[in-house]
Amino acid sequence: DTAVSQTPKYLVTQMGNDKSIKCEQNLGHDTMYWYKQDSKKFLKIMFSYNNKELIINETVPNRFSPKSPDKAHLNLHINSLELGDSAVYFCASSQDHGRDITGELFFGEGSRLTVL
Amino acid sequence: GQNIDQPTEMTATEGAIVQINCTYQTSGFNGLFWYQQHAGEAPTFLSYNVLDGLEEKGRFSSFLSRSKGYSYLLLKELQMKDSASYLCAVDSNYQLIWGAGTKLIIKP
Repeated sequence: DTAVSQTPKYLVTQMGNDKSIKCEQNLGHDTMYWYKQDSKKFLKIMFSYNNKELIINETVPNRFSPKSPDKAHLNLHINSLELGDSAVYFCASSQDHGRDITGELFFGEGSRLTVL
Repeated sequence: GQNIDQPTEMTATEGAIVQINCTYQTSGFNGLFWYQQHAGEAPTFLSYNVLDGLEEKGRFSSFLSRSKGYSYLLLKELQMKDSASYLCAVDSNYQLIWGAGTKLIIKP
């Protein structure tokens, strides 16, 4: 059983298109995240959802919109794709250990997005 | 600002010991994580330190000094499969601040 699964693993698309990446976790965790890892390998937090509430939004363009139908799912929708959006997007989840402490992160396998 | 520094790349020999350093300057501190990431794969958790001192887990150990803003990951008896990037991350006010990672190359 895969703990954190995301689809698709690979996505190649044209500039201007709209695409979605789905993520599901079966760990019963309270918090889910979307990270972007660019070619320089920096992991940058995009969004964090705790019990379906957005708790971090790190200056991400509003072309990116997270959707969480329930606490086991956090999907990422991207409108009007740009070349600079090409990266690997990782979904992750963690169990809360109190309001100000992040638990160990469990990552999905990543979705490699290439915008042509 | 918040900053995590670690070397970009290190090379070591199979069977040897290597120490990967991480220094941090963050507005808050609730612990420091080390993750391993093989090329093309997701990061996986290695260790968590919140108190000063050394935490040992098999061939891997992690050290923390909060007063110095410093941590290191120590890998012993290196194996070829240890070739990967090692990411340092600090929990700062309920946000994880990530370093860029250290690419470790193991040579036979």
